[in-house]
Amino acid sequence: AQKVTQAQTEISVVEKEDVTLDCVYETRDTTYYLFWYKQPPSGELVFLIRRNSFDEQNEISGRYSWNFQKSTSSFNFTITASQVVDSAVYFCALSEENTGNQFYFGTGTSLTVIP
Amino acid sequence: DAGVIQSPRHEVTEMGQEVTLRCKPISGHDYLFWYRQTMMRGLELLIYFNNNVPIDDSGMPEDRFSAKMPNASFSTLKIQPSEPRDSAVYFCASTVLAGGAPSPDTQYFGPGTRLTVL
Repeated sequence: AQKVTQAQTEISVVEKEDVTLDCVYETRDTTYYLFWYKQPPSGELVFLIRRNSFDEQNEISGRYSWNFQKSTSSFNFTITASQVVDSAVYFCALSEENTGNQFYFGTGTSLTVIP
Repeated sequence: DAGVIQSPRHEVTEMGQEVTLRCKPISGHDYLFWYRQTMMRGLELLIYFNNNVPIDDSGMPEDRFSAKMPNASFSTLKIQPSEPRDSAVYFCASTVLAGGAPSPDTQYFGPGTRLTVL
């Protein structure tokens, strides 16, 4: 079974629009960690955020915000006032304490911001 | 500080040839991971090491693939013989357990090696 599901394969928005990327995860562990990575067209994977299962506070970093809801097993990522530079593939990942440092990545969401 | 370094960045080879991909983790990191990324399968974990010891190689596709970590600052992923279906981007990542805790920490990725097997 897929541990991390990113149902949106591709999203296109016009610049300055807000966009939310969905991430749903599955785990039986009580202690786990969730991550978002950005992969721009240049190909590298850039770490964006790490959140542990005991901290459900939403986080905001500039135009980026993350909504963690254990009740729905979701860790959604919102970009406010999108810019062309936000165009990338975004990956959500899960790591469970009982499986050490192994990451389970979603299939990614390709975001295109149209100028 | 330098990030994870991978070489070469691009490799084009012919079917049947041996390919060696190299990775230098971030200094002080004691976990090293090898991933493969393809359009069909996304990001797949191939193998990971802790303190130079392979911990889980269940993701290695077949015996043609092997990985070594002779010391804390160097790892190789070798494919012998290579096949066209091995064409992919191979990423190396490293991390360290903060304070020795068992909690998974952030993995930092190298730029990747784009492998094309003709």
